[in-house]
Amino acid sequence: SAVISQKPSRDICQRGTSLTIQCQVDSQVTMMFWYRQQPGQSLTLIATANQGSEATYESGFVIDKFPISRPNLTFSTLTVSNMSPEDSSIYLCSAARDGPYEQYFGPGTRLTVT
Amino acid sequence: AQRVTQPEKLLSVFKGAPVELKCNYSYSGSPELFWYVQYSRQRLQLLLRHISRESIKGFTADLNKGETSFHLKKPFAQEEDSAMYYCALGYAGKSTFGDGTTLTVKP
Repeated sequence: SAVISQKPSRDICQRGTSLTIQCQVDSQVTMMFWYRQQPGQSLTLIATANQGSEATYESGFVIDKFPISRPNLTFSTLTVSNMSPEDSSIYLCSAARDGPYEQYFGPGTRLTVT
Repeated sequence: AQRVTQPEKLLSVFKGAPVELKCNYSYSGSPELFWYVQYSRQRLQLLLRHISRESIKGFTADLNKGETSFHLKKPFAQEEDSAMYYCALGYAGKSTFGDGTTLTVKP
């Protein structure tokens, strides 16, 4: 298994600002992912964080809005840029070690944009 | 397009009753399917994977390729099973999740 921590756990931000969310895994993993989840709703994949190269974004998500870094096999960051109230959501980090599909999830970051 | 459908947003059963959470998928290739569970105030965690054909916490799930289904079943529900359950389809190095089913087990 893998234990994942995220910082911050929650934040309230003003419109137009940016927030960087950190994701730390307690061991090396092959793949890391970032999701967005509205409370009580499904997870939407934002991007796959690739170690040493640019993230792979899903349709509807762009690098300028959600820049992602993954400098090594245990750490990744997601920045939510130029925030608007529509960005209010829970942002989840996950990691996979044994194949890409069996994922371990972080506790999430609850973002509120005012 | 790849899609996972969980037709029941809410499901309520009494303790000791059988429970079945439905999951249907659409995918033209060979699917890898999973069930994840999120208990109140806890993080999302993997419950079952179809390839291992295991029983976890009394839950089982069988992949039916003909019906493109991967329903989650438990013969006797317990109050501690109350949680949000997500079915997920793995393909091309990523996963698609269903909308989830909130299971409530009443005493």
